[in-house]
Order: sequence, then C-alpha cells, then structure tokens
Amino acid sequence: KQEVTQIPAALSVPEGENLVLNCSFTDSAIYNLQWFRQDPGKGLTSLLLIQSSQREQTSGRLNASLDKSSGRSTLYIAASQPGDSATYLCAARFNTGNQFYFGTGTSLTVIP
Amino acid sequence: KAGVTQTPRYLIKTRGQQVTLSCSPISGHRSVSWYQQTPGQGLQFLFEYFSETQRNKGNFPGRFSGRQFSNSRSEMNVSTLELGDSALYLCASSVSTDTQYFGPGTRLTVL
Repeated sequence: KQEVTQIPAALSVPEGENLVLNCSFTDSAIYNLQWFRQDPGKGLTSLLLIQSSQREQTSGRLNASLDKSSGRSTLYIAASQPGDSATYLCAARFNTGNQFYFGTGTSLTVIP
Repeated sequence: KAGVTQTPRYLIKTRGQQVTLSCSPISGHRSVSWYQQTPGQGLQFLFEYFSETQRNKGNFPGRFSGRQFSNSRSEMNVSTLELGDSALYLCASSVSTDTQYFGPGTRLTVL
C-alpha cells in the first residue's frame, strides 16, 4: 500500500531560523512529488514539484529535495518569517496508479 | 490566467439530501481531481477526470460521483448525504500528470 507520512505534525521555530520539513513515502517507484502550503480554511498553494528524475528544486527561500532510494523528500525553508506560518503538505504520485497520495501535514508556526 | 474556481464556497445541507459541487479548471488544463479534507482523515483522493473520462478513483462509496464536460469543467455529486460527509471539498487541475493547482474549496456542512 502506498503511504506518505510527515513528521513532526507540528513545529514551532523563532523567526530567522532555517528549518527542514520531512516527507516519507513507502514506494520508491515515485513519479513526482509536490509540496504545498495551506493556510487555515483555505485551499492549497503549490510550492514546488520535483520529478522522479530530479534531485532538488528551488524557489526563492525554498529548496525541496528528493531521495527515491530512501523514500524521503525534504523541504528546506531558509530564514523563516512569520508569514511562513501555515500547514505544509507533501503529495506523491507513483508510477502505478495516477493519483496523488497526501501526507497529513506539518503545522509550522514561526514566532516573531 | 484565472485560477481554479469552485462553487459554491459554502453549503449547508441536511442528512439524506444530495449536493452538486462545481469546479472550473485553469484554461488549458484537461485534468481535474477531487479531494475530501477532514480533520480526522486529512486529504483523501476521490477521483480524477481527464478529457471527460474518469482516469482514477479513490476508495469512496458509490454515493460520490463525478463527471467532466467538454470544456473541462467538472462536477461532483454526493447523494444521500451523511453527517460524516461534512468536509472541505477541494478540486485541483493540471495539464496532465504535472503540477496540480488547487481551488479554494467548498465547505460542506451536513446537519
């Protein structure tokens, strides 16, 4: 069964700190993986998409990596800001089947 | 380009009723996926439509159905509503199997 997990469920850091969010998946036959943020009561905002042939993707202060052999992806946020406070979700699409499997998310709070 | 739009944004229904939700994808996107989000279960995949055909289906009962029109707009229908169907229903569009872009969601409350 294909599963995606995110640990920890919640994280609180002081402003300016660099941080890493983790995403694990059970099937190394991954097609692509996408990171999202969700603000309370809102839809999901796409942050980064990594194809299976890629090792990492960068956008501004965000860097996402993908390690298929270990079944892990990380989202690195540099110089965190209070506006980064949100729930971060990862979603993996595997080679078998065509749907996205979502993790349960990490709720991030950046303290001013 | 306009983003993904969902209507209505909020809906209150009673048990046993049926409901239809609508999703308009980004122009040029042919894939529309539907998800249910609840505090207890997180985001769960309902189904995906691509060029008017259901391409994938999650593990939801037959009360949940959908369709896609020739202009890629999609509707989701839930019949015989139950209390447990109360959730945020999200749709996402993509060109095919690449980046998914989500709409703001429809908040359904079943009383």
